Amino acid sequence: QVQLQESGPGLVKPSETLSLTCAVSGGSISSNWWTWVRQPPGKGLEWIAEIYPGGTTHYNPSLKSRVTMSVDKSKDQFSLNLTSVTAADTAVYYCARALSKKFDSWGQGTLVTVSS
Amino acid sequence: QTVVTQEPSFSVSPGGTVTLTCGLNSDSVSTNYYPSWYQQTPGQAPRTLIYNTNTRSSGVPDRFSGSILGNKAALTITGAQSTDESDYYCALFMGGGIYVFGGGTKLTVL
Repeated sequence: QVQLQESGPGLVKPSETLSLTCAVSGGSISSNWWTWVRQPPGKGLEWIAEIYPGGTTHYNPSLKSRVTMSVDKSKDQFSLNLTSVTAADTAVYYCARALSKKFDSWGQGTLVTVSS
Repeated sequence: QTVVTQEPSFSVSPGGTVTLTCGLNSDSVSTNYYPSWYQQTPGQAPRTLIYNTNTRSSGVPDRFSGSILGNKAALTITGAQSTDESDYYCALFMGGGIYVFGGGTKLTVL
């Protein structure tokens, strides 16, 4: 059973870069797609991006100019960078595996607040 | 802009049947969009219920079923239980590696 765990700062200042990492255990990071999904407080889910460790990435068109995903296979983890954040980027950020065009094996989520 | 539509809220009686839908502003939803459904209770990560239109994820009770109804994807709960009171989200695969979630349906069982 694949397990995922998000980590990163819980507070980011406006205009700075949000950086999160997702640690993968119990499965191969090299042979799956990995994804980030976020949920603003009291609102719905928003797909952010996905990556295949071979290097292919796909980004939400509405966030594409600010988002970068990367994978560190040596550490069995993948990361999300979101630049120029505003209060609208305050959300719980989830990492998950994307398999067969579904999201499974979700992390528990981490709340990131954008505030000065 | 792609918008995936869901009923904001729905209510069902215990033991009753409810069908939640997932539509698309620019097209009919078909199996080509690989609709998936997720259940989320407050403070918890989403749980995958259905994928590829009608395949139940491991451990999901068979009272949950997925289908295409008309031009929408549908999630039907047959014999609703109090534990089914949750938020339900659908997601569509738009091609090119892009996914879009619906706005979610808050299901009340009472």
